[in-house]
Amino acid sequence: GEDVEQSLFLSVREGDSSVINCTYTDSSSTYLYWYKQEPGAGLQLLTYIFSNMDMKQDQRLTVLLNKKDKHLSLRIADTQTGDSAIYFCAGPLGYSTLTFGKGTMLLVSP
Amino acid sequence: GAVVSQHPSRVICKSGTSVKIECRSLDFQATTMFWYRQFPKQSLMLMATSNEGSKATYEQGVEKDKFLINHASLTLSTLTVTSAHPEDSSFYICSAREGEGHTGELFFGEGSRLTVL
Repeated sequence: GEDVEQSLFLSVREGDSSVINCTYTDSSSTYLYWYKQEPGAGLQLLTYIFSNMDMKQDQRLTVLLNKKDKHLSLRIADTQTGDSAIYFCAGPLGYSTLTFGKGTMLLVSP
Repeated sequence: GAVVSQHPSRVICKSGTSVKIECRSLDFQATTMFWYRQFPKQSLMLMATSNEGSKATYEQGVEKDKFLINHASLTLSTLTVTSAHPEDSSFYICSAREGEGHTGELFFGEGSRLTVL
């Protein structure tokens, strides 16, 4: 099964770019995901990338996938205080669900 | 878009009592729902897969008699924490997917925070 690892904490200033990194183990994963969790709330899907892609851009979000190194990153441009949350990368687990990294807490200061 | 709703969002109970948490898919049918548990500053741990009309599939280390799952309809799964103890205090999150396999988005409920006194 998939195993994902990510750094636990990132602090940036408002307006800067944030880059959250993740490594995974299962090279056969077809999809990789980024979820956002605000305090006391459930998870919200931010974006996902197919394994046959190297990059995906969606407004302020850019996902980069390095299949050789099994490395996934999420870049948030022009980071805002409202982006402060925990960000989880996730990969397929079993038939239909996901396995998650431990989450990266992003703190955006004014 | 599709929404998954959980109820209650917060519950406090006394040790030894049982607590039921509901998970509903609001505008789609979900033959399969998933229950996760999240400890403070930790990731989500899959507890079990809830299958409509059949028994749930529990992950290793999760007590099926402790965490009773019932998936009575295509839009409702319930998790009952029986004889709750303080160590069961946690954030429980359910999720459901509209499609089969890994197609479609996996939607998550807002979570239910259980505190056992």
